[in-house]
Amino acid sequence: AQSVTQLGSHVSVSEGALVLLRCNYSSSVPPYLFWYVQYPNQGLQLLLKYTSAATLVKGINDFEAEFKKSETSFHLTKPSAHMSDAAEYFCAVSARNNNDMRFGAGTRLTVKP
Amino acid sequence: DAGVIQSPRHEVTEMGQEVTLRCKPISGHDYLFWYRQTMMRGLELLIYFNNNVPIDDSGMPEDRFSAKMPNASFSTLKIQPSEPRDSAVYFCASSALANYGYTFGSGTRLTVV
Repeated sequence: AQSVTQLGSHVSVSEGALVLLRCNYSSSVPPYLFWYVQYPNQGLQLLLKYTSAATLVKGINDFEAEFKKSETSFHLTKPSAHMSDAAEYFCAVSARNNNDMRFGAGTRLTVKP
Repeated sequence: DAGVIQSPRHEVTEMGQEVTLRCKPISGHDYLFWYRQTMMRGLELLIYFNNNVPIDDSGMPEDRFSAKMPNASFSTLKIQPSEPRDSAVYFCASSALANYGYTFGSGTRLTVV
């Protein structure tokens, strides 16, 4: 079975600073990996996904993530935080032979002016 | 496409009453998922369907919960009788293939008093 662990339930950065949200996965088979964002009172929206093409994946709003098999990691980064990035971010993993996605506990990102 | 449509957006009911949540997935998506989100437990997968057939209902908390998918464009999640601990946001999501990711609805906020 697959699972993900998000390190840090709450991350706070200043506007313009680097955003780094950490995610480690566990999977017995090659995984698909995803990052979702949830704004208050909304559903989750897909930010980006890794599906075995390039290991560096670019998503919406200048977010990107790098799949590192040796570290079993899929950390999310953004060079410069914007106030509108304040939200909850979820890492997720699914196996390639099924569509059963497992979500991490989420990381709440706060952006200070 | 209008996305995944859930109704109602908000539901307040008294303990012991029956509650029915509704979901219309994106046309052409073969997978449909029901999640529950609370502060304490995060995102929990309750049940998912593939081609209208329930595949995994191991996340359904107890017999008070039931879900149906009578056709490809409609699913319901029913709680009977409802209890205060069922208060949560319930999300429906749909997906085409495992590497596509999920599209979430806006959720139903259920409050049982």
